[in-house]
Amino acid sequence: EAGVAQSPRYKIIEKRQSVAFWCNPISGHATLYWYQQILGQGPKLLIQFQNNGVVDDSQLPKDRFSAERLKGVDSTLKIQPAKLEDSAVYLCASSLRLSGRETQYFGPGTRLLVL
Amino acid sequence: DQQVKQNSPSLSVQEGRISILNCDYTNSMFDYFLWYKKYPAEGPTFLISISSIKDKNEDGRFTVFLNKSAKHLSLHIVPSQPGDSAVYFCADPWNYGGSQGNLIFGKGTKLSVKP
Repeated sequence: EAGVAQSPRYKIIEKRQSVAFWCNPISGHATLYWYQQILGQGPKLLIQFQNNGVVDDSQLPKDRFSAERLKGVDSTLKIQPAKLEDSAVYLCASSLRLSGRETQYFGPGTRLLVL
Repeated sequence: DQQVKQNSPSLSVQEGRISILNCDYTNSMFDYFLWYKKYPAEGPTFLISISSIKDKNEDGRFTVFLNKSAKHLSLHIVPSQPGDSAVYFCADPWNYGGSQGNLIFGKGTKLSVKP
């Protein structure tokens, strides 16, 4: 079974530029998550989708971050404009259904450096 | 305020000995917790869980203990192997600080197992 795919793996941009990340979850997984992991911290949820609907985006900085999952499969996360403090690893995860008991499977992440 | 705390950023253990990783928590809805393991440049992978109906869960060399009165859990690895060297995160998928499935992670403990 293929895992969660993410691209790109690495990205370096200057502040105020825009960047987009892509995630392809495990086939059949209804729930998709984007987490931000800053160096030395644990991952923190940015947004959670159930199929193509948003379940929780309370921690998404909506003035600069946006995410979509139009057909309930792939998802993109965009930052526009980027700030220095956005430097982090962006992890996408998916689970079969929305439940605290469901195992979340993580992709390898996209490492973003904002200069 | 951190709802899931891992107070030891790092731990070094000799191969064959026991590794004990600790985690304290607050505001958990159901006292159900997960441990994830993360290698460099990879996403976290699920390791083991513990639910409040048990105070112990064992899977091979990995055992997790839960002390609900102390709001404390620990992961024991016996015997430790060099391949266990990774960052270990405890996580709460049902915390009052987040929605269901929103994993609240600790900061992680970096385990180094020396041959």
